[in-house]
Amino acid sequence: DGGITQSPKYLFRKEGQNVTLSCEQNLNHDAMYWYRQDPGQGLRLIYYSQIVNDFQKGDIAEGYSVSREKKESFPLTVTSAQKNPTAFYLCASSIRPPPYEQYFGPGTRLTVT
Amino acid sequence: AQSVTQLDSHVSVSEGTPVLLRCNYSSSYSPSLFWYVQHPNKGLQLLLKYTSAATLVKGINGFEAEFKKSETSFHLTKPSAHMSDAAEYFCVVTDGAGSYQLTFGKGTKLSVIP
Repeated sequence: DGGITQSPKYLFRKEGQNVTLSCEQNLNHDAMYWYRQDPGQGLRLIYYSQIVNDFQKGDIAEGYSVSREKKESFPLTVTSAQKNPTAFYLCASSIRPPPYEQYFGPGTRLTVT
Repeated sequence: AQSVTQLDSHVSVSEGTPVLLRCNYSSSYSPSLFWYVQHPNKGLQLLLKYTSAATLVKGINGFEAEFKKSETSFHLTKPSAHMSDAAEYFCVVTDGAGSYQLTFGKGTKLSVIP
C-alpha cells in the first residue's frame, strides 16, 4: 500500500527536551510538508521541502527544525525553544508543489508537560 | 496574497437532509481550491479539488462543490447527510503563482443528528 506513515501516534515529553517526529512516504512524491494543528485554528505550515536536501520555513518555523536527506523521509524536531509545543502534528506530501493536492499522514499528537 | 474564510465554525443537520458548508476565498491569481475532511484524531482526506476546469466539481462520498468566481465562493454540498459524514471539513486555497503554500480555513465541524 502506498501512503504516508507517522510515528508514534502519541508522544509525551517533559518540558526542555527535544523530540523528533517521524514522517515517511512511499508515494515517490517530491514535496513534503509539516503542519501544526491547534483547536479552532486550522492547519499552519511549519516547514516544507520541494526536493531532497532543500527545505524552507513556513509560517511558524520558530522552535522547529527539519532535514530531508532522503526523498521518502522528512523528520521534524521540536526543540526546547518552541514555547508551546503541545499540538497535533501532520505530515503531508505531494507529487509536486501546489497546485497539486497534498496527501496527509495520520498525525502525531505531542503532549509536553 | 491568498486567504480563505469558512463562514460557519459548526453546522448541525439531521440525517437524510442536505448539507451546505460555506467557503469564501481571496486570491490574487487564478486559484486552486480544495475541500478536505478530517475525522477525530485522524489525518486529512481529500474530498475534491478545483483547478480551473469545470466549475462544478464532484468528489468522493457524494459531495460536490461549485466554484463561483463572481462571488469568490466554493461551497461544499451533499444532498443527503449520513451519520458517517460527521467530521471537520477544511476549505483550502492556493494561488499557485510562485507560492508553495496552501492556506487552510479554520474548519467547519459537521454534526449529523440521527
